[in-house]
Order: sequence, then structure tokens, then C-alpha cells
Amino acid sequence: QQQVKQSPQSLIVQKGGISIINCAYENTAFDYFPWYQQFPGKGPALLIAIRPDVSEKKEGRFTISFNKSAKQFSLHIMDSQPGDSATYFCAARSDTDSWGKLQFGAGTQVVVTP
Amino acid sequence: EPEVTQTPSHQVTQMGQEVILRCVPISNHLYFYWYRQILGQKVEFLVSFYNNEISEKSEIFDDQFSVERPDGSNFTLKIRSTKLEDSAMYFCASTEEVLYEQYFGPGTRLTVT
Repeated sequence: QQQVKQSPQSLIVQKGGISIINCAYENTAFDYFPWYQQFPGKGPALLIAIRPDVSEKKEGRFTISFNKSAKQFSLHIMDSQPGDSATYFCAARSDTDSWGKLQFGAGTQVVVTP
Repeated sequence: EPEVTQTPSHQVTQMGQEVILRCVPISNHLYFYWYRQILGQKVEFLVSFYNNEISEKSEIFDDQFSVERPDGSNFTLKIRSTKLEDSAMYFCASTEEVLYEQYFGPGTRLTVT
């Protein structure tokens, strides 16, 4: 059972453009939605996270939009830079019925061209 | 800045052999995790560990797997009899509180031949 679905699988964007990655979840018990950035050969690193009590969270060029009724959330990377080229994973967690287990999406490989 | 470390970075083993993957979590963290990532696929939860016992495990974490915190700093994942399908990147993660951010190590690439 795929609890977190992520799209697209890959994305090519020009420098300065906007990258948009979408995720959908099924489990209504999820109440914490982080995005992780992973560079080749490295472990995932937390980029930004949101909880369902807000519809949007912005940190620098990175914004999460959250739609609780649709059970969807997305990551927007504004003014994309070549250094943003990485794989991005959405994830979800239920803070009430787990020991912190993260359920990851399949990942999106983002390539930012100069 | 404190970080999670893992050794070795790459382990090659023959099918049927036992392997131990090692992790040193951040020193004041109390909750520990193992995840794995098969090449090109998503990161999958294996097991969580708290207060010297397994708190949760996935269906992947069968009897071939075990975890241990042998001392105050190390956290290990043992695979007793490796299979080809165990080839993956294994990530250790830790957190201070279960609701806080999990910090991931750089991973150990396990190759089973």
C-alpha cells in the first residue's frame, strides 16, 4: 500500500524558474509533512515541514502548500538554482500512532539547467 | 554541528554472510531508526528503537534483521544471512524527541553478490 504518492518522477527546470512537486496521502492520521532534499551519496536532509493547521509555509525560496480536504501537499522552489539539483522526497508521519516512522514518497529528481 | 555518522560507507558481502552496519547517532538523541533505499526507489522505514528496545518495525524487518545499542554511542543493524535483495543504501537516523526532526546519516551502501 503506497501511503504517500509523489509526482513527477523527474523535473527539468531552467535557472530562475519554478519547480513544483506534488504529493498526495491516504492516511488521515498523518499530521506532519516534511520535505527532504537528497544529494547523490548523501542522506536525506530536512528542507521544510508543515502541519495541517496551516495551508502554507515559506522558508526562503521554498514553499509548502497544503490542502487538507484534498489530502495533498506540494513543494514550490522559486528562482530555482543549479545548486537545487537534487532528489526531493515528501514524507508523512502520524504523531499520535507511531514512534516517528516516516513514510516517504517515491522521490522527484530535479535538474536545474544553467 | 552534530551529525549522524555511519560506517562503513560501502560494504560488499557474499550472499548468506552476516553483516553489521554501524551508526553513531547524535549524542543527546534518544530515538533511533534504520531506513533503507533500494537503488532508484523510495526510502523505506525498517525499525525504530527507543529505551533499548524495538518500538516499531516494518514487515521488511524480519527475523534476519536485528538491532542493538551495544554501548552508549553506537547503534547497529545486523543482517544474519544476506540475500541479493538486501542490496540497498541503509540510512540511520536519530532524533531527540519522537516528534522532532530526524537527522539522517550519510548511509552505508550494501552490495550483496
